[in-house]
Amino acid sequence: NAGVTQTPKFQVLKTGQSMTLQCAQDMNHNSMYWYRQDPGMGLRLIYYSASEGTTDKGEVPNGYNVSRLNKREFSLRLESAAPSQTSVYFCASSDRRTGDGQPQHFGDGTRLSIL
Amino acid sequence: SQKIEQNSEALNIQEGKTATLTCNYTNYSPAYLQWYRQDPGRGPVFLLLIRENEKEKRKERLKVTFDTTLKQSLFHITASQPADSATYLCAAYRPGNTGKLIFGQGTTLQVKP
Repeated sequence: NAGVTQTPKFQVLKTGQSMTLQCAQDMNHNSMYWYRQDPGMGLRLIYYSASEGTTDKGEVPNGYNVSRLNKREFSLRLESAAPSQTSVYFCASSDRRTGDGQPQHFGDGTRLSIL
Repeated sequence: SQKIEQNSEALNIQEGKTATLTCNYTNYSPAYLQWYRQDPGRGPVFLLLIRENEKEKRKERLKVTFDTTLKQSLFHITASQPADSATYLCAAYRPGNTGKLIFGQGTTLQVKP
């Protein structure tokens, strides 16, 4: 059981380049999330998808777009990368069908450096 | 807006002692508080959840308390081991928030043999 899988694990970009971070979960969860984690800042929510077909902004959405491709997959796109987007990106999923407050399951992150 | 505050200084303790980590919230009382463990280079892993109407929750060597008067949750690891060394994250959840969590910045625990 893979859980939440993120690709790639590492990436280096030049300022202005674009890329898409991929995330897939095999737990049949309906909710998925994208976070970024910076030193001393904790996890900050970029975008989330409460269910297939819906997406909404989190705390720090500027410079990012998302696509909930189907129930399993939720991708994060940087259209024009900036050095301020250097961070570790985590995808997570949760099952809200069994009630509120359910734990989130995280992937192991994508380490992104923008030069 | 809600803020979750954890001690940013690392906590160093001796093996066998009890580690106590603190999580304070600043605004409304969250319906749930969750605690996660994060190892270097890995994603957070869920440990425990405590509801607003629960005073205490236990799981093996772990214990979590929720004090709505102090606006605080304490996370205890008894009989700590070097393998418990990690960063521990506190997260708050509010109903109707579509499952969104607000995370603290985490406290790093180092257990020395």
